[in-house]
Amino acid sequence: GDSVTQMEGPVTLSEEAFLTINCTYTATGYPSLFWYVQYPGEGLQLLLKATKADDKGSNKGFEATYRKETTSFHLEKGSVQVSDSAVYFCALSETGGGNKLTFGTGTQLKVEL
Amino acid sequence: DAGVIQSPRHEVTEMGQEVTLRCKPISGHDYLFWYRQTMMRGLELLIYFNNNVPIDDSGMPEDRFSAKMPNASFSTLKIQPSEPRDSAVYFCASSVGQGVGTQYFGPGTRLLVL
Repeated sequence: GDSVTQMEGPVTLSEEAFLTINCTYTATGYPSLFWYVQYPGEGLQLLLKATKADDKGSNKGFEATYRKETTSFHLEKGSVQVSDSAVYFCALSETGGGNKLTFGTGTQLKVEL
Repeated sequence: DAGVIQSPRHEVTEMGQEVTLRCKPISGHDYLFWYRQTMMRGLELLIYFNNNVPIDDSGMPEDRFSAKMPNASFSTLKIQPSEPRDSAVYFCASSVGQGVGTQYFGPGTRLLVL
């Protein structure tokens, strides 16, 4: 079945550091890929998405590129801020899968001054 | 536009009591999902509906849990009787069937069963 694997956290960075959170997936078809973010005490929010190979999703300085050859969708940001501290979830939606999302386990990011 | 609305936001109850969580999806969305989130088990999909019909309830932990969607704008998740191990944050999400299936989450209901 479909699965998503994320790097374990917590990831602790200093403000303005470069961020990478790794995500790889297993799927039978050609899924859409997502990154969701959950701030403390809140629900999950869509951060960015990509629907086909080589697409790059971007939002709020975050980027991720859909790499079919390596089945990866790594999240990157060039300069993190304290306000980026949150839990980040990678997810996939299989074509014809009834809009069901398969989530990774989440990676907690802590950004310190 | 109003997002997904959940109520109550917080619920504290005693073991054995019935708990009802409510969700109003985004207007026009035809998929609705119920999730549970705990530190130990992470984010779990409990059940989801398409056009008010349950499609997959394999994530419902046991018979004490039930979910209904009587119309396109309302769904409930009921726990009867509740147990301390049901303490968690319960999220509702909705999406549109056409397109890539982006889900939009509500703020969650934080449930504590004493």
